[in-house]
Amino acid sequence: GQQVMQIPQYQHVQEGEDFTTYCNSSTTLSNIQWYKQRPGGHPVFLIQLVKSGEVKKQKRLTFQFGEAKKNSSLHITATQTTDVGTYFCGETSGSRLTFGEGTQLTVNP
Amino acid sequence: SAVISQKPSRDICQRGTSLTIQCQVDSQVTMMFWYRQQPGQSLTLIATANQGSEATYESGFVIDKFPISRPNLTFSTLTVSNMSPEDSSIYLCSVAVTGANGYTFGSGTRLTVV
Repeated sequence: GQQVMQIPQYQHVQEGEDFTTYCNSSTTLSNIQWYKQRPGGHPVFLIQLVKSGEVKKQKRLTFQFGEAKKNSSLHITATQTTDVGTYFCGETSGSRLTFGEGTQLTVNP
Repeated sequence: SAVISQKPSRDICQRGTSLTIQCQVDSQVTMMFWYRQQPGQSLTLIATANQGSEATYESGFVIDKFPISRPNLTFSTLTVSNMSPEDSSIYLCSVAVTGANGYTFGSGTRLTVV
């Protein structure tokens, strides 16, 4: 089964509101990767976090890796309709990438 | 990052038949990965395909049902055998070029079994 749990499963926001999705693990993660999958599309790599407490930003997206490396979050500031899609976290073990359940984001204009 | 060409993009198949999905990568990669994504769900890893050796299957997936070929470092096929409606899903291949750049996915094959 999935090692990484992701919440919430769904999130509906008004355009301009913020959005956050969380990934949690019962064990220490070697790294965490984040992907975005647009409706009808395939997952696209966003970022990888490796270090304890790491924070990375991409424009309106902020990614955090917990101090204990057991959780991570993706925060989107002031959502836009182009942010619609499903956001997945994933962990690599060896070379295998396994995914969390994903958070499906819808944005009302 | 790598570019993957996956085909077919979609197919409708009769139960009991088999479908072979192809993925071509524009660069040589050691490992290729095959995933299944059922409607509204996450991606589940089926197997890892290594060139020159048998594929490594995840729990719940077996070679007889999902045979994989990896004849060279740029190409792989996944066959869905003896299909049933429960096999209706999206199948995706993936490669990792370098860890920091994540994994690149093919555009997927949407399979419907009737």
